[in-house]
Amino acid sequence: RKEVEQDPGPFNVPEGATVAFNCTYSNSASQSFFWYRQDCRKEPKLLMSVYSSGNEDGRFTAQLNRASQYISLLIRDSKLSDSATYLCVVPGGGYQKVTFGIGTKLQVIP
Amino acid sequence: ETGVTQTPRHLVMGMTNKKSLKCEQHLGHNAMYWYKQSAKKPLELMFVYSLEERVENNSVPSRFSPECPNSSHLFLHLHTLQPEDSALYLCASSQEVQNAEAFFGQGTRLTVV
Repeated sequence: RKEVEQDPGPFNVPEGATVAFNCTYSNSASQSFFWYRQDCRKEPKLLMSVYSSGNEDGRFTAQLNRASQYISLLIRDSKLSDSATYLCVVPGGGYQKVTFGIGTKLQVIP
Repeated sequence: ETGVTQTPRHLVMGMTNKKSLKCEQHLGHNAMYWYKQSAKKPLELMFVYSLEERVENNSVPSRFSPECPNSSHLFLHLHTLQPEDSALYLCASSQEVQNAEAFFGQGTRLTVV
């Protein structure tokens, strides 16, 4: 299994839809996880962190399934402005080496 | 100024040129990073600095040479690059090296011709 795996998409969804992405990881020792958002030709920006209890911020919900070693990001009531690539980040290894997933591209269509 | 600033934003260089990328962070962070982002590939961590000391070098070719003169500045010196080195080079910082909550600069889009 790759260190961090994501479906690159693209996921094309209509405005108002609910969409979910998963990210699987191989390092069972990882304790915290992150979702970043990267707009086209821009830098990644931290969206939210994911701990064992999950995390919710408005329309965004992140969950951790430690048994199956994946994290998920759920976006409710999708907006056009949600169109971006969502990167999964898993710390682990020496010096807390941080591994990025390839990202899942979301395109919200009118 | 706030956040992480990178210059230049775009750079075209020949394979025999020497150039440097600059990164400056105004967040008071102790850790700084260089990442490479190529098309259809995940972000690749190149170098990690903690309090001006290099703590990780992920088997990066010697044609890439980092320099961290202080905790706010990070450079990436480029020499005799190859066309496959064309990519977006991102600088990031975080409070400590163990912290994955990183703030990124806007990146330098490098094209090697």
